[in-house]
Amino acid sequence: DTAVSQTPKYLVTQMGNDKSIKCEQNLGHDTMYWYKQDSKKFLKIMFSYNNKELIINETVPNRFSPKSPDKAHLNLHINSLELGDSAVYFCASSQNSYEQYFGPGTRLTVT
Amino acid sequence: AQSVTQLDSQVPVFEEAPVELRCNYSSSVSVYLFWYVQYPNQGLQLLLKYLSGSTLVKGINGFEAEFNKSQTSFHLRKPSVHISDTAEYFCAVGRARGGADGLTFGKGTHLIIQP
Repeated sequence: DTAVSQTPKYLVTQMGNDKSIKCEQNLGHDTMYWYKQDSKKFLKIMFSYNNKELIINETVPNRFSPKSPDKAHLNLHINSLELGDSAVYFCASSQNSYEQYFGPGTRLTVT
Repeated sequence: AQSVTQLDSQVPVFEEAPVELRCNYSSSVSVYLFWYVQYPNQGLQLLLKYLSGSTLVKGINGFEAEFNKSQTSFHLRKPSVHISDTAEYFCAVGRARGGADGLTFGKGTHLIIQP
């Protein structure tokens, strides 16, 4: 009974393709997030979303878009993939801005 | 906006020795503070958190941290480390009662336990 799950765990694709990463949480939390971890292990918030607001980090290219079909899911869509998009992407969730619970990560490799 | 500085990118320690991983933060508003651990090829696991109250917080796996508001620090300590503690440790801050805000992370400290 994984709390925050992501699929796929690994994603290898070519430049220019469009891909999606799925995230689901079964904790009943009200807020979900996407983070990017680069090759130096630096973690940076990309998006945060609850039923009231979407907060987008201004440094995130508009090729990235979050989509939430319901409160338990926040998927990440990426258009026109570039080499620099290669990273590990983590989904997380929280309740009332307290501690965040992270998924296992999706390692994206763009060739 | 908040920022987090982890002063050491790498800390080598002998097994059963004590360790302290340093974290300083900057923020113009009240914050919550967290330490997360990342084992190789895994996600992030919460070690401990400071939300309010006692400035000394205890977490999992024998770790503890002390919040010092005047020095804007939240250093992580363990009295005796084990080989299994080898991992990347991240300090993070979040705006208190911040709604949908995400966390701001430090660059991480790689804890290396030597036998």
